[in-house]
Amino acid sequence: EAGVTQFPSHSVIEKGQTVTLRCDPISGHDNLYWYRRVMGKEIKFLLHFVKESKQDESGMPNNRFLAERTGGTYSTLKVQPAELEDSGVYFCASSRRGGGTEAFFGQGTRLTVV
Amino acid sequence: LAKTTQPISMDSYEGQEVNITCSHNNIATNDYITWYQQFPSQGPRFIIQGYKTKVTNEVASLFIPADRKSSTLSLPRVSLSDTAVYYCLVRNNNAGNMLTFGGGTRLMVKP
Repeated sequence: EAGVTQFPSHSVIEKGQTVTLRCDPISGHDNLYWYRRVMGKEIKFLLHFVKESKQDESGMPNNRFLAERTGGTYSTLKVQPAELEDSGVYFCASSRRGGGTEAFFGQGTRLTVV
Repeated sequence: LAKTTQPISMDSYEGQEVNITCSHNNIATNDYITWYQQFPSQGPRFIIQGYKTKVTNEVASLFIPADRKSSTLSLPRVSLSDTAVYYCLVRNNNAGNMLTFGGGTRLMVKP
């Protein structure tokens, strides 16, 4: 079974540019989560999809961040325009429907805004 | 969400048993205790989860006392490859896997 896949693994962009991160969850997992760790801080929840619907986006920092999950399969997280403080590692995780199920994390995308 | 407190770091030697204790005084009825492991440049990896008493799998054991205000992750006979950060999390069963990560415990296993 393939794990959670994130692309790209690294991205370096200039302030003001746009970056789109992609996450492919484990096939059949309805739940998809985005997390991030900015430098020196703890891993923070960003948002949660159930299939294509946003279940909880309380962790999204501001309206420069836009997450989508068209068709309930892969998800994208777009940052536009990127700011220096957006630098960090962005993790995606997926889990099966239902409570009590473990979350499987991808390896993360390291974003550096210069 | 219940906050967790765990040691910032621990050292051990190969072959020893390692016990990492976590306190979660404000744990609620619907909360489960979940532990994740993270290696550098990788995402967190689920280790074990429990609600009460003892849970054991092929990787670790989790001990939870009756009041559930703390838990202990036990790693038997650690090896160098167990060097990682271990996160204790309290997961609300009604919130799926919206996880609140703390600082974790950085375990260093020495030869």
